[in-house]
Amino acid sequence: DIQLTQSPSFLSASVGDRVTITCRASQGISSYLAWYQQKPGKAPKLLIYAASTLQSDVPSRFSGSGSGTEFTLTISSLQPEDFAAYYCQHLGFGQGTKLEIK
Amino acid sequence: EVQLVESGGGLVQPGGSLRLSCAASGFTFSNYWMSWVRQAPGKGLEWVANIKEDGSEKYYVDSVKGRFTISRDNAKNSLYVQMNSLRAEDTAVYYCARVGLTIYFDYWGQGTPVTVSS
Repeated sequence: DIQLTQSPSFLSASVGDRVTITCRASQGISSYLAWYQQKPGKAPKLLIYAASTLQSDVPSRFSGSGSGTEFTLTISSLQPEDFAAYYCQHLGFGQGTKLEIK
Repeated sequence: EVQLVESGGGLVQPGGSLRLSCAASGFTFSNYWMSWVRQAPGKGLEWVANIKEDGSEKYYVDSVKGRFTISRDNAKNSLYVQMNSLRAEDTAVYYCARVGLTIYFDYWGQGTPVTVSS
């Protein structure tokens, strides 16, 4: 089974910051990776699929890159509504990154 | 508008059974793979099971194989999971999700909570 490892597990940042979350796969998965955002008590929301394709209605400050075994999710300028948990996924999920307000 | 509405969650004793349902609307249900994904309290997301458009293929995470059965009724636009021999570690919110793009979950229900406890 392919394992996904996210880093960091926790991230503290301020509004306006640029942040990057990394997801590493235990073996090559080409570009078959998605990113989700989840707010407390809510269902996850698909942000990016195929490593770098933005889902419709997702703000352009979100971007994804990578292929093979290393992927990144970048938020170019954090907004208050971006503080949430983020998960990468290739069938199974990474362990998650909790993004908190500094 | 795509909608997925889960039901059937609740409190069950260890070793018991529960059947979750997911009612789909706003899209052609029979054209999509569907999945169950769960989230234990305070923990991350865990994919549980997938089922092909016509129900001919089913896949499960190792921890539920032999205990959970995913199924669907395309005539009723509904997805199900029969959960038997439930354990405390099955306690979670269970989400129904549409597999919209290859292996990605593009729409999710609001979730239904399952608690396994005596």
